[in-house]
Amino acid sequence: KAGVTQTPRYLIKTRGQQVTLSCSPISGHRSVSWYQQTPGQGLQFLFEYFSETQRNKGNFPGRFSGRQFSNSRSEMNVSTLELGDSALYLCASSAAPGAYNEQFFGPGTRLTVL
Amino acid sequence: AQSVTQLGSHVSVSEGALVLLRCNYSSSVPPYLFWYVQYPNQGLQLLLKYTSAATLVKGINGFEAEFKKSETSFHLTKPSAHMSDAAEYFCAVSENSGNTPLVFGKGTRLSVIA
Repeated sequence: KAGVTQTPRYLIKTRGQQVTLSCSPISGHRSVSWYQQTPGQGLQFLFEYFSETQRNKGNFPGRFSGRQFSNSRSEMNVSTLELGDSALYLCASSAAPGAYNEQFFGPGTRLTVL
Repeated sequence: AQSVTQLGSHVSVSEGALVLLRCNYSSSVPPYLFWYVQYPNQGLQLLLKYTSAATLVKGINGFEAEFKKSETSFHLTKPSAHMSDAAEYFCAVSENSGNTPLVFGKGTRLSVIA
């Protein structure tokens, strides 16, 4: 069974631009969560989607948004990029929502904002 | 609010020695607790989880952790370190029977010396 796929793996953008990251969950998984990982703040929860509905949202500004499609694939968007948005963005999928259910992580998208 | 503190951002052990990675949590309700491992350039992988059943939890790769409510701790141990254990380890907490998003500690980098 294929794992969680994230595209692209690496991305370089400049301040003020916007970016869209994609996540394809494990086949049959309907829940997708996104996390931001930085050296300073560590791993922080962004949002969780289940059946195309946002179930939980972390403490991030409105520039960070996401969505989930009917095939469970998910995208997250960051508008008006800032230098501080440089991070590894991790996507995790699980069969059902909630941290109780084992989350399988993708390799991440490394975003660099110049 | 729930939080996790991992004591020691970097731990170094000799091959064959005991591994002890410390995690203390703060939660107003009975928590669910998790340990994840991250190898270089990869996503996170679940090692083990505590879900209010047995206080001693066994995970993959010979790791185990013990939930101690009186000490609000969930330390990770392995009797004998292998070179392949070198990675970053994250402790995480969730509340509401595992239905709130994961809150991660800052992580502990484990080095194994031959």
